[in-house]
Amino acid sequence: DGGITQSPKYLFRKEGQNVTLSCEQNLNHDAMYWYRQDPGQGLRLIYYSQIVNDFQKGDIAEGYSVSREKKESFPLTVTSAQKNPTAFYLCASSITWDTNYGYTFGSGTRLTVV
Amino acid sequence: GEDVEQSLFLSVREGDSSVINCTYTDSSSTYLYWYKQEPGAGLQLLTYIFSNMDMKQDQRLTVLLNKKDKHLSLRIADTQTGDSAIYFCAERRQGGKLIFGQGTELSVKP
Repeated sequence: DGGITQSPKYLFRKEGQNVTLSCEQNLNHDAMYWYRQDPGQGLRLIYYSQIVNDFQKGDIAEGYSVSREKKESFPLTVTSAQKNPTAFYLCASSITWDTNYGYTFGSGTRLTVV
Repeated sequence: GEDVEQSLFLSVREGDSSVINCTYTDSSSTYLYWYKQEPGAGLQLLTYIFSNMDMKQDQRLTVLLNKKDKHLSLRIADTQTGDSAIYFCAERRQGGKLIFGQGTELSVKP
């Protein structure tokens, strides 16, 4: 079955450490996205990639980095520069950047700084 | 403003209808979407409506669009406890970007 897999489901990080969240899709989608979800604030776009080997900053990119070396993979690194990283992180993909069909989401990774 | 606005909470009794409202911002948005998020999970696309339509019905779901007021609503008929979740509306702006609302947490009481 096609879909998006995020791992791990839960992640704990010590202050000052970088951590990488995995996102893999087998839908053959060109575009991929990372969102951060905080209670009462909805989804905020961190980074997006319209096509392999290309990515752009979203609305809250500071303290995060991404790569898109393979079409199916879009890992997100939360760096020590991110001041408040505890949140629920969602990865999504779409057939193309400008599709009308909406996005397919992964099941999320909950990151907690301890 | 820039934001898509939704009320944060809605509580209904099982069997009643639920109406979740959303106000979007960009009159040139071409598609509008409703997503459902169950606890600890990702978002699932429920339905979408093209901006030249006023209404779309899909089984228990009815979407109404008032383009003049930039108002979108999702009606769930015969609401069940399994409908308890967070519901997000989203607008697709020029250039393809999806902008999401804050989400409405629907609580269905037996």
